[in-house]
Amino acid sequence: QVRLQESGPGLVKPSETLSLTCTVSGGSISTHYWTWIRQPPGKGLEWIGYIHSSGSTNYNPSLKSRVTISLDTSKNQFSLRLTSVTAADTAVYYCARLTGDSYYYYYYAMDVWGQGTTVTVSS
Amino acid sequence: QSVLTQPPSVSGAPGQRVTISCSGGRSDIRAGYDVHWYQLLPGTAPKLLIYGNNNRPSGVPDRFSGSKSGTSASLAITGLQAEDEADYYCQSYDANLSAFVFGTGTKVTVL
Repeated sequence: QVRLQESGPGLVKPSETLSLTCTVSGGSISTHYWTWIRQPPGKGLEWIGYIHSSGSTNYNPSLKSRVTISLDTSKNQFSLRLTSVTAADTAVYYCARLTGDSYYYYYYAMDVWGQGTTVTVSS
Repeated sequence: QSVLTQPPSVSGAPGQRVTISCSGGRSDIRAGYDVHWYQLLPGTAPKLLIYGNNNRPSGVPDRFSGSKSGTSASLAITGLQAEDEADYYCQSYDANLSAFVFGTGTKVTVL
């Protein structure tokens, strides 16, 4: 059974870089698409971006200029980096696996999720 | 950035049937992209309830069902139970935004 666990600092200062890691256990990261999602307090879910096991990425246009998602197959982990953070980036951050039967990723669902980690942006 | 609209809340007594709508537009649901549904409970990992409009993953009770028509989709919960009290989100893809998109979320309350 595949499990995902987010880790990283719970507090980040404004203008600095938010860095989170998602560790995958019970399965290999060398297949599937892997994605990050966030939920600001009192608000809905927002998709941040994904990385494929090949290394290809795609980001939400609203965050694209500040986001990098990378893969470390040796550690079975993938990571999120969000630069120049502000209070608006305060949220619960989730990692998840994207999967589906179609050749096209945009039909895929997020079938396995981590429990989420809270990140607060504050000085 | 939600482009899919859901009712903020729905409620029902135990045993009743409730439905949650998810309304989109021409660049997402109507464009043919699949709709998926998730259940969020505080402190737990979000759970995939329905994928590909109307398919249940293994382990999801058949009380949960999904449908899609035109520019909208729906999640139905029959035989409502106390453990179904949670937040529910639909999700699809938007071709104009080139992004996965979520609904605004619906809180289900069991009376």
